[in-house]
Amino acid sequence: GAVVSQHPSRVICKSGTSVKIECRSLDFQATTMFWYRQFPKQSLMLMATSNEGSKATYEQGVEKDKFLINHASLTLSTLTVTSAHPEDSSFYICSARDRITGGTDTQYFGPGTRLTVL
Amino acid sequence: AQRVTQPEKLLSVFKGAPVELKCNYSYSGSPELFWYVQYSRQRLQLLLRHISRESIKGFTADLNKGETSFHLKKPFAQEEDSAMYYCALKTGGGNKLTFGTGTQLKVEL
Repeated sequence: GAVVSQHPSRVICKSGTSVKIECRSLDFQATTMFWYRQFPKQSLMLMATSNEGSKATYEQGVEKDKFLINHASLTLSTLTVTSAHPEDSSFYICSARDRITGGTDTQYFGPGTRLTVL
Repeated sequence: AQRVTQPEKLLSVFKGAPVELKCNYSYSGSPELFWYVQYSRQRLQLLLRHISRESIKGFTADLNKGETSFHLKKPFAQEEDSAMYYCALKTGGGNKLTFGTGTQLKVEL
């Protein structure tokens, strides 16, 4: 089945530094990838939609300059949290969209990245 | 704006008992509904979608547009069903998913 990986799985950084999270589709091409944020015991909140070869579309309230998204290839999207602060600490999850024959598409989720900003 | 409501944070049932996880949605257009499941220490995965009208692992869900609901049901709960279940709404024409807050299902022996 379709597999999505994320790297790193866990990262701890100092306040003010930048952190890059990678999302890869391992056995399929993903023209669209999604980035979510999940706070403890809360639901997934969509942050942005990443389209290969074009600019990401951010959800309302998400700072574009804070969360930089690059979807450079059909199998890789990266999320960079710039000048991270403790309030950015969260669980970041990506998903990749695979279009199945017949028009119905499915999102496959990565395992998530736990970011802790000290 | 679209919204998905899962009123129960935790649902505890005994093995063999029926299960119903509630999901209500709010959306003015034509909705597409999904149930995702997350087992302990595993990633989120698709359980079923309403357009497929399928039964997966004994679970079914029927879209009721009149009640704007998409409840997940299983007649006899199994211990391995214990997990976090999320209802999700995909808005027509777009690819974005809006998730509910999730319901933790605990099946006790």
